[in-house]
Amino acid sequence: EPEVTQTPSHQVTQMGQEVILRCVPISNHLYFYWYRQILGQKVEFLVSFYNNEISEKSEIFDDQFSVERPDGSNFTLKIRSTKLEDSAMYFCASSERGTSTEAFFGQGTRLTVV
Amino acid sequence: SQKIEQNSEALNIQEGKTATLTCNYTNYSPAYLQWYRQDPGRGPVFLLLIRENEKEKRKERLKVTFDTTLKQSLFHITASQPADSATYLCALGQRSGNTPLVFGKGTRLSVIA
Repeated sequence: EPEVTQTPSHQVTQMGQEVILRCVPISNHLYFYWYRQILGQKVEFLVSFYNNEISEKSEIFDDQFSVERPDGSNFTLKIRSTKLEDSAMYFCASSERGTSTEAFFGQGTRLTVV
Repeated sequence: SQKIEQNSEALNIQEGKTATLTCNYTNYSPAYLQWYRQDPGRGPVFLLLIRENEKEKRKERLKVTFDTTLKQSLFHITASQPADSATYLCALGQRSGNTPLVFGKGTRLSVIA
């Protein structure tokens, strides 16, 4: 069965450092998303990406965040200068046709900012 | 303001019984409603999708209903098993494919043998 893969599974970083979280979505999917989940809280939307550009972003997705699809398969989330409150699970997801179809989530990257 | 409420944070039931989880929303007009299962430390896994013009959807032991008048979805697991223990998330999707899913906080279900 096709799956979304994310690397790394865990990342510990110093406050102020840059991190890049990587995702390989399912190959024939057109819509890509990043969500995050702070421990014990709900899954929160960060950004959606369609047709090689950001289609929507939340208030959380400020200037410190960026996304790229550098080579047609990988989908990355960069946090330029991490803060303690960026500590969370980050999930990448993809879907074939947006919210009218199921979203496939990766297993997540647990980011810890110290 | 917009809200999605899964009105039980935790639900404990006996094995073999039917679990019923509720998802209520306000100030949304979703075209789709989806249910996901999430195990600790893992990503959500899709279970069922129901459209605004559908009343009910079934898949094996799972059933979901969608009442756009009441702004509510019910999610049922019949003949529950300890392996069904997990957090169940409801998520709303708008008609535009670009608009992301918005998740409720989830209900943690424990099925006791």
